[in-house]
Amino acid sequence: AQSVAQPEDQVNVAEGNPLTVKCTYSVSGNPYLFWYVQYPNRGLQFLLKYITGDNLVKGSYGFEAEFNKSQTSFHLKKPSALVSDSALYFCAVRDMRSSASKIIFGSGTRLSIRP
Amino acid sequence: DSGVTQTPKHLITATGQRVTLRCSPRSGDLSVYWYQQSLDQGLQFLIQYYNGEERAKGNILERFSAQQFPDLHSELNLSSLELGDSALYFCASSVGVRGATTDTQYFGPGTRLTVL
Repeated sequence: AQSVAQPEDQVNVAEGNPLTVKCTYSVSGNPYLFWYVQYPNRGLQFLLKYITGDNLVKGSYGFEAEFNKSQTSFHLKKPSALVSDSALYFCAVRDMRSSASKIIFGSGTRLSIRP
Repeated sequence: DSGVTQTPKHLITATGQRVTLRCSPRSGDLSVYWYQQSLDQGLQFLIQYYNGEERAKGNILERFSAQQFPDLHSELNLSSLELGDSALYFCASSVGVRGATTDTQYFGPGTRLTVL
């Protein structure tokens, strides 16, 4: 079955420090992976996606994610956190079981950046 | 701003009632998706339409239905509402070229439904 897991409900980081939000996946076939961010009272915003190619994917707002096939992980990273990065982050995988493009989301990780 | 619009922003109604949520996709996008976000179920896919036709169904209740019109906007109809239907309902759109597997979905701001 296609699934993603975000093992941490909450991640707390001091401003200026590097941050990592973890995600592991389980798919049949090639994984198509995404990261979205949700700010309070807002919709989801696309950050980045991995389809194929370079294992390090760069996205919006200085975020990047590293695809690791052997560990089936797709962790989101940023070298230097900002207070404005505080939000809810979702890892997602495209469901390859059908020709449709529906996405399966993880449970979300709340990122809190303290000044 | 993703370019996807949803109305209304908030909706408060009573149990047993019926409501309609509206979504306008980004210009040029043919696919529309509906998702439900609740505290206990997380973010769940409900249904997808492509160019007016249903393409995929997820965890959508029989009391819920959707359609996509010729101008590509979509409506999600929720009937016989229950307290548990209170949630944030998101619409997303993508280019949705037939056969494309990697297109990005862009989300609207959502409609917050409260059933009293």
